[in-house]
Amino acid sequence: ELKVEQNPLFLSMQEGKNYTIYCNYSTTSDRLYWYRQDPGKSLESLFVLLSNGAVKQEGRLMASLDTKARLSTLHITAAVHDLSATYFCAVDSAEGAQKLVFGQGTRLTINP
Amino acid sequence: EPEVTQTPSHQVTQMGQEVILRCVPISNHLYFYWYRQILGQKVEFLVSFYNNEISEKSEIFDDQFSVERPDGSNFTLKIRSTKLEDSAMYFCASGRDSNTEAFFGQGTRLTVV
Repeated sequence: ELKVEQNPLFLSMQEGKNYTIYCNYSTTSDRLYWYRQDPGKSLESLFVLLSNGAVKQEGRLMASLDTKARLSTLHITAAVHDLSATYFCAVDSAEGAQKLVFGQGTRLTINP
Repeated sequence: EPEVTQTPSHQVTQMGQEVILRCVPISNHLYFYWYRQILGQKVEFLVSFYNNEISEKSEIFDDQFSVERPDGSNFTLKIRSTKLEDSAMYFCASGRDSNTEAFFGQGTRLTVV
């Protein structure tokens, strides 16, 4: 059974600092997704990572995937308050239609 | 920008009652999904639907649950006899194909009392 573990689960940081959220998963998969969720809101797609070594960047966020280590990272550069949210990684466990297994989420709070 | 829309945004129902949650996926998408998120917990897969049939379902998706695409635009989740533990946010999602990201609706908060 596929398990997806994120750490840390809670992260409080100051504006301007850098930090990394880690996502480990237990079985082979080449498809990993990062989502952002604001309180009471839906899931916003951030990145789709489809191959080993994939790296994608959007603004202050950069995501990477190492399928051999079964590890993805979400790196935040020079954090700003607007990035405060809960971030989920999700791994696709099925062939054909998606069956995403989500991590527990990382609640990120960025303080001025 | 096209989006997945869900109705209602909040539904309160009595235990044992049937509920139907409705979703309108993005129009050119072929894959449809339901997920749920119990308050404060992680998002859990319920079911995927492609080509008018269920592709995958989780152990949560038991005989009390069913999905339907009755008219080519709506995608519904029915819970036949709700239990207290069915209280959660239910998200519908749709995707163009199985390799691209699924786009999530804003969710329906189901409260069973």
